[in-house]
Amino acid sequence: DSGVTQTPKHLITATGQRVTLRCSPRSGDLSVYWYQQSLDQGLQFLIQYYNGEERAKGNILERFSAQQFPDLHSELNLSSLELGDSALYFCASSVALAAANYGYTFGSGTRLTVV
Amino acid sequence: AQKVTQAQTEISVVEKEDVTLDCVYETRDTTYYLFWYKQPPSGELVFLIRRNSFDEQNEISGRYSWNFQKSTSSFNFTITASQVVDSAVYFCALSGMPGGSQGNLIFGKGTKLSVKP
Repeated sequence: DSGVTQTPKHLITATGQRVTLRCSPRSGDLSVYWYQQSLDQGLQFLIQYYNGEERAKGNILERFSAQQFPDLHSELNLSSLELGDSALYFCASSVALAAANYGYTFGSGTRLTVV
Repeated sequence: AQKVTQAQTEISVVEKEDVTLDCVYETRDTTYYLFWYKQPPSGELVFLIRRNSFDEQNEISGRYSWNFQKSTSSFNFTITASQVVDSAVYFCALSGMPGGSQGNLIFGKGTKLSVKP
C-alpha cells in the first residue's frame, strides 16, 4: 500500500456521462497530481494542486476539472465522456510543491472504460 | 520543451540474459530529476530510482543498475540476469523545477520488457 488511495478502482460508464474520481493523498502530503494513461497518448500530466490551490495545468481537456478540498483529498471530474477518455487515471502525491526534491507517491489508479 | 525518449518499444529476452533499457531526455533546466518506474501487468506504478542532475554517479541496486551521462543526456537502466518477474513496462521520466508544467513528471512512452523462461 503506497498510502495514496484512489477510488473507485474500476468504472464503466456510457458516452455523454459524467464521473468523479477520488484521490486521498499520503498523510502529510500537500501536493496532488493527476495523470492520464491511454494507449495512444501514454502517461500525461493533467493538473496539479497544492494545499487547495491549482498550481499547474498540463494537457487537461476543458471537459475535465479538478479540485482539492480542505482535507487535501482531490477529485477529478470528467464530463461529456467520449470513447477516447477510456484510460487509467493516476493520482500522485508529494509532501512539497517542489515534488521532484522529495519524490512522488502514486496511487494504484482508476481504470475508466467508456462504452 | 522537456522531452523523454524511450526508443525501444518492446524488448524480449530469455531469462538470465542481461538487458539495457535506453532513455534519452531533453531539458533546458540546469537542475532536474530523472526517474525510472516499473508498471507490472497489475497496472500500478512502482518507483525504482530518482537521480538529480548534479549526481552523475552510477547506481547499483541488486540486479538493477543505472548509468547517467549528462554529456549524452541519457539515463539508461540495466537489469542483470533477468527474471520472469521483471516482465513489465518500464518508464523513464523527467521533472524540472516547480511551477508551470515543469514540476510534474514528463514520461517517456515506455519500454515493454518480456522475459521468457
